[in-house]
Amino acid sequence: AQSVTQLDSHVSVSEGTPVLLRCNYSSSYSPSLFWYVQHPNKGLQLLLKYTSAATLVKGINGFEAEFKKSETSFHLTKPSAHMSDAAEYFCVVMPYSSASKIIFGSGTRLSIRP
Amino acid sequence: GAVVSQHPSRVICKSGTSVKIECRSLDFQATTMFWYRQFPKQSLMLMATSNEGSKATYEQGVEKDKFLINHASLTLSTLTVTSAHPEDSSFYICSARDSGESGNSPLHFGNGTRLTVT
Repeated sequence: AQSVTQLDSHVSVSEGTPVLLRCNYSSSYSPSLFWYVQHPNKGLQLLLKYTSAATLVKGINGFEAEFKKSETSFHLTKPSAHMSDAAEYFCVVMPYSSASKIIFGSGTRLSIRP
Repeated sequence: GAVVSQHPSRVICKSGTSVKIECRSLDFQATTMFWYRQFPKQSLMLMATSNEGSKATYEQGVEKDKFLINHASLTLSTLTVTSAHPEDSSFYICSARDSGESGNSPLHFGNGTRLTVT
């Protein structure tokens, strides 16, 4: 069975400080993993994806994530937060070739303090 | 990059009327599209899988006659909320995957439709 857990419902950081959004997954097979960002009243925008290639994945807007199989984690990081990063972030697990079984995490709201 | 256009972005309708939401893949073909509903401060809930040229597959608990889905072409899926009631007020989002990409390619999302039923 597949599952995904976002460990923090809300993260608040100061502008210019590092961001860490945590995600753990459970999967019987090698899954594809994604991070999406959602701004208020908008759809989801793909930040980055892991599809069994390099374990350190770089995405847009300075974000990156590292796939750690031993820890079943796929945490999202950014060295320096910007005010425009304030949004909701979703970690997503997708079994191979089965987008209908895609599983969304519960989301993490990222707030940025000036 | 792949773009999914969803229209309208916002709609207000009276109780008992029907509302149609369109989801278009602008620069790719999608044999399958997905419709989600999102409640405030919650994650996305899959409502149904829209299949081009065939019937949609609905998730358990989703009323087929209430939420009509039509996938008439490889670039267009529509969701019609029939006889809308205030409890149907929500944020609806569609997504699609490029049929020409590999099986583990990401989904591309529309910008969502905020439906308010008065």
